[in-house]
Amino acid sequence: AQSVTQPDIHITVSEGASLELRCNYSYGATPYLFWYVQSPGQGLQLLLKYFSGDTLVQGIKGFEAEFKRSQSSFNLRKPSVHWSDAAEYFCAVGANTGNQFYFGTGTSLTVIP
Amino acid sequence: NAGVTQTPKFRILKIGQSMTLQCTQDMNHNYMYWYRQDPGMGLKLIYYSVGAGITDKGEVPNGYNVSRSTTEDFPLRLELAAPSQTSVYFCASSYSNRAYEQYFGPGTRLTVT
Repeated sequence: AQSVTQPDIHITVSEGASLELRCNYSYGATPYLFWYVQSPGQGLQLLLKYFSGDTLVQGIKGFEAEFKRSQSSFNLRKPSVHWSDAAEYFCAVGANTGNQFYFGTGTSLTVIP
Repeated sequence: NAGVTQTPKFRILKIGQSMTLQCTQDMNHNYMYWYRQDPGMGLKLIYYSVGAGITDKGEVPNGYNVSRSTTEDFPLRLELAAPSQTSVYFCASSYSNRAYEQYFGPGTRLTVT
């Protein structure tokens, strides 16, 4: 069965510092991987996605993620965090059967001045 | 272009009452989804639809029903509300299957007491 694990429930970083959010997946075929961001009281917004090809994908708001098949990981990174990046971040995988998506439990990001 | 809209934004139900959560999208997307989001649990798929007249169960369908009579609308029905259904409900749509980005509505916060 497909599953997504986000090991970090909560992360705190200083503004201007770099950020890495971890995501590991369990999947039997080529995964379709996504990162979404959720601001308080809002729905989810897509940051970036990976289907195939270049394993380093660029997204909106200066985010990027790297797919590593050997580690079953799809970690999200940003070189310099802004206060407006404080939000909940979700990793998701598209299933190979049916049309379902599986989401991780999310990582809450706090940015301190 | 409003995207995905959901009504109501908030609702309090008594145990045993019923209600319908409305979801409408104006992007002519074939696929639509209902998720529930509980604290620390991420998003769980309740039901999804791949087109008008076609619906299927997700991970947590018990206690819910859906219908899809038009491309635009995908209402979620709670027949006998229970405290376990207290959650935030998100509707989403996508152009096609797991490879495509999902667009989320703003959510409905439901409390059952």
